[in-house]
Amino acid sequence: RKEVEQDPGPFNVPEGATVAFNCTYSNSASQSFFWYRQDCRKEPKLLMSVYSSGNEDGRFTAQLNRASQYISLLIRDSKLSDSATYLCVVTLNTGFQKLVFGTGTRLLVSP
Amino acid sequence: ETGVTQSPTHLIKTRGQQVTLRCSSQSGHNTVSWYQQALGQGPQFIFQYYREEENGRGNFPPRFSGLQFPNYSSELNVNALELDDSALYLCASSLEGGLPYNEQFFGPGTRLTVL
Repeated sequence: RKEVEQDPGPFNVPEGATVAFNCTYSNSASQSFFWYRQDCRKEPKLLMSVYSSGNEDGRFTAQLNRASQYISLLIRDSKLSDSATYLCVVTLNTGFQKLVFGTGTRLLVSP
Repeated sequence: ETGVTQSPTHLIKTRGQQVTLRCSSQSGHNTVSWYQQALGQGPQFIFQYYREEENGRGNFPPRFSGLQFPNYSSELNVNALELDDSALYLCASSLEGGLPYNEQFFGPGTRLTVL
């Protein structure tokens, strides 16, 4: 079983749509949680950290459910520029920060 | 931009050869982590260097080795290249590698093709 699992997609949505991505992680000792965005053939960039209390950054809302080991990302009012791969990431308390990535979910927003 | 640079941008090698990839960390950062990203996959952790010492290692064979220099730049060396080593190699710099909440800033990557 993979440490972090995501639906690879692609998710094809029209501009203005709301889209949700989910991710599950297998290690209950996972310590911190993130969503990264990766554009085609570019490096991953931090989109947002994820907390149990939930957090929102403009059109993006992330949620963590530690009991279910489940992380979500909601994008409202999708823009063409949101087209990218969204990577779910967790870290483990190993004495150093090792990022464990899911395979990513590809989002395509069309006009 | 993150201020993390990598060289070269692209590289083509043949099986059995050796390769060295380089990374300059963001100013003030003392930790460099290396990741391998195969096509269609998420990045996989190779190892991390903190203050010139290997601080942690992922599930990669010993032919993957690294160095960190006093200025905190880093090298990734891969010996006896195999076809499956073809991937995007990413380095990420951060402050104080042992802390869980420090953001890792990625460089643009080196795309290695092994023929």
